[in-house]
Amino acid sequence: GQNIDQPTEMTATEGAIVQINCTYQTSGFNGLFWYQQHAGEAPTFLSYNVLDGLEEKGRFSSFLSRSKGYSYLLLKELQMKDSASYLCASLDSNYQLIWGAGTKLIIKP
Amino acid sequence: DTAVSQTPKYLVTQMGNDKSIKCEQNLGHDTMYWYKQDSKKFLKIMFSYNNKELIINETVPNRFSPKSPDKAHLNLHINSLELGDSAVYFCASSQEFSGGAVNEQFFGPGTRLTVL
Repeated sequence: GQNIDQPTEMTATEGAIVQINCTYQTSGFNGLFWYQQHAGEAPTFLSYNVLDGLEEKGRFSSFLSRSKGYSYLLLKELQMKDSASYLCASLDSNYQLIWGAGTKLIIKP
Repeated sequence: DTAVSQTPKYLVTQMGNDKSIKCEQNLGHDTMYWYKQDSKKFLKIMFSYNNKELIINETVPNRFSPKSPDKAHLNLHINSLELGDSAVYFCASSQEFSGGAVNEQFFGPGTRLTVL
């Protein structure tokens, strides 16, 4: 079966660093996406990885290990506006996005 | 300009009714999608559609049907609404229906459907 696992909720402090992990098992693999979703809003694209390694984009970085079926999203210099749900999604062999349930990130002052 | 738009934003209706949600994208994308996000926040794909093929998630009841009058529109029709249909429905589009970053999906604002 197809499965995406990520923690339900995490809490971090403003200015700190947080890492959100995601493991995936999908039928085929064409890349791993991270999306951000603020409460009551639509998901917005953050990153895409298809090769092993770290992709850095400003305060956000995303890592992929294909052999381990594992990814993480790293958020640095946390700001209050980073409070949101972070969704991991794997693109399967049919180019369908298989979504995790999301990790709700709570930032405290 | 809004990239992906949906109407209505809120829809409250009685069980058994038939309703439609409209979606339009002005990004020139070839592929459009409908998702259902329930109270547990899982995003579940319902349909993927481009001018070549329609992919239907087999778990979607046939009361749900997509209608695409042209490449920029993919409307969702729901017949005989049930209580369990209450959820937020998101429309999305992507440049292509293939691998790679071109599969980045742009989401509409969502339609919150409440069935009474």
